[in-house]
Formats: sequence, structure tokens, C-alpha cells
Amino acid sequence: NAGVTQTPKFQVLKTGQSMTLQCAQDMNHEYMSWYRQDPGMGLRLIHYSVGAGITDQGEVPNGYNVSRSTTEDFPLRLLSAAPSQTSVYFCASSSKPGQVYEQYFGPGTRLTVT
Amino acid sequence: AQSVAQPEDQVNVAEGNPLTVKCTYSVSGNPYLFWYVQYPNRGLQFLLKYITGDNLVKGSYGFEAEFNKSQTSFHLKKPSALVSDSALYFCAVRDWAGGSYIPTFGRGTSLIVHP
Repeated sequence: NAGVTQTPKFQVLKTGQSMTLQCAQDMNHEYMSWYRQDPGMGLRLIHYSVGAGITDQGEVPNGYNVSRSTTEDFPLRLLSAAPSQTSVYFCASSSKPGQVYEQYFGPGTRLTVT
Repeated sequence: AQSVAQPEDQVNVAEGNPLTVKCTYSVSGNPYLFWYVQYPNRGLQFLLKYITGDNLVKGSYGFEAEFNKSQTSFHLKKPSALVSDSALYFCAVRDWAGGSYIPTFGRGTSLIVHP
């Protein structure tokens, strides 16, 4: 198993540009989520999904969109990039949202918005 | 509502000495508790979890954590630290009674093990 994969690893955007961060998992996990990690802030949840076709907002959803058309993929879209979105983004998955399973994290995408 | 606090931004310990990384939590029901480790430029990796039962939980790489309900704490411990344990450690909590399956993460504690 590849686990949770994320692409790209690094990205530089100009203010106003849009892009999609890709996330895929091959463990048939139902629950997937996106976090951003900023110094001193820990991990903050952006959006999450409990299964294909079901998504919901987390703590900091503004400026981001998600969709979940398949169990495997959970892309994160930045609609109009802003410098405040400069961060490291992590995708995570776990087996079943209603049970107590740990999360598996991808390697992260480091995004800089200039 | 659920919350978790890691009161120390950084913990310094000499190699071979015992280490403790502190975590306290707040939930309305019973907690599910987790510890994760993040090495530089990597994603988080699961270390251990507490669901119910024995208050002392053993995990990966020789780490263990003690659940203390009266003190609402879940401190991470290791009897003898290694330089390779130097990393960022995150505590996370999920409220059993809240019906939420979304964990809340602490801000992280940087562990530095000196040779």
C-alpha cells in the first residue's frame, strides 16, 4: 500500500491564482480530511468527508473547496489564493468515522502564496 | 466541546534520561486520546491511543502514555530518550459522548534530545 499520497510537494502561487491540491489513499478508508499546519497554531481542520459524496466544513474552511467523488480521492481547491493561505497542508484518512481509528497522514504540500 | 492543551512548546532532555511530554484535555463525555509524532518535513505518524481499559497505554518506539481521568491528562512518556526521538509531538482528543468523529489537536510540543 502507498498509504496517503499528496501532490505536489511544493507549490508557489501568486495572489489570486487558483489550484488544486491532490490527495489519494489506497486503504479504502471512509474518513478523509484536510488540515493546515502553521507555526504555533498546530493542526487546524479545513474540510472533511465521511464517505464518497459527503463533505463538511472544519474549523477554517474559508477560501477552500472540496469534493469527494470517489472513496480514494479528496482534492482541496484554493479558489483565489491569498498570502494568508501560505502554509503546509496535510491530508489524512482513517478507516471508519464512527469508530476509534487513528488517522494516517500524507507527507504534506508546502504552499507559498506571494 | 472538546479541547486539548499541550502546555510546553519545547521539552529538552538528555539522551538516556526519561522524558515526559504533557497533555491535558477537556471533553463533555469520555475521551478518546491519541499521540502523534512528526519528524521534520514529514507527515504525522500515529504513536498510541487510549480508548478504554488500562490507564497505561504502550505504543510505538518504546513510548507509553498514562491516562489520568481525575487530572484530565494523557502525558506521553519514555523511560530512556534517544537523540532520534527529537521531533514534534501532538496530542489529540475526541469526545466519545459528543457524537463527533473529528479529533482536536494540540499545538504540538517540540522534543529535543541532547546527546
